[in-house]
Amino acid sequence: KAGVTQTPRYLIKTRGQQVTLSCSPISGHRSVSWYQQTPGQGLQFLFEYFSETQRNKGNFPGRFSGRQFSNSRSEMNVSTLELGDSALYLCASTQTAHTDTQYFGPGTRLTVL
Amino acid sequence: QQQVKQSPQSLIVQKGGISIINCAYENTAFDYFPWYQQFPGKGPALLIAIRPDVSEKKEGRFTISFNKSAKQFSLHIMDSQPGDSATYFCAASKAGAGSYQLTFGKGTKLSVIP
Repeated sequence: KAGVTQTPRYLIKTRGQQVTLSCSPISGHRSVSWYQQTPGQGLQFLFEYFSETQRNKGNFPGRFSGRQFSNSRSEMNVSTLELGDSALYLCASTQTAHTDTQYFGPGTRLTVL
Repeated sequence: QQQVKQSPQSLIVQKGGISIINCAYENTAFDYFPWYQQFPGKGPALLIAIRPDVSEKKEGRFTISFNKSAKQFSLHIMDSQPGDSATYFCAASKAGAGSYQLTFGKGTKLSVIP
């Protein structure tokens, strides 16, 4: 089975722009979670989607949003980028049926200039 | 509020030695405790996980010890190898709560020297 894939792998944007990141979960996995990883704050939960519905949201401003499609693929969007949004954005998928294990993708490295 | 505290921040171990990383949690509702390993440029990969109904779980060279009353759990890596050099994260979640939100520790950078 293919793992979690994320595109693009690297992005450079300037302040004020917006960005959309994409995540394709492992086939058959219905839950997709997003995390932000920075050297200072570590891994922080952004939000989780299950069956196209946001089930949980972390403590991030409304500039961070996401959605999930009927095929479980997910996108997250960050509007009005700030320098502090520079981070590795990780997507994780979970089968949900018999396990809580989250499988992470390689991440998208976002740099805001 | 940091709900999962991890120590040490960095660790240097000789090849063949035992690496020990500790975590403490505050939220008693947590009932699923995984450990992840991350190499540079890669996403975290699940190493081993435990639920609070057991005090220890072993998989190969990796062992989780869990102390529910102290709200602490630790990862032991036996016979540490240079290939184990990576960053390790402990995490916790409320399993089966209808969401899979993981709360992570800050990570431990492990270096295993030959």
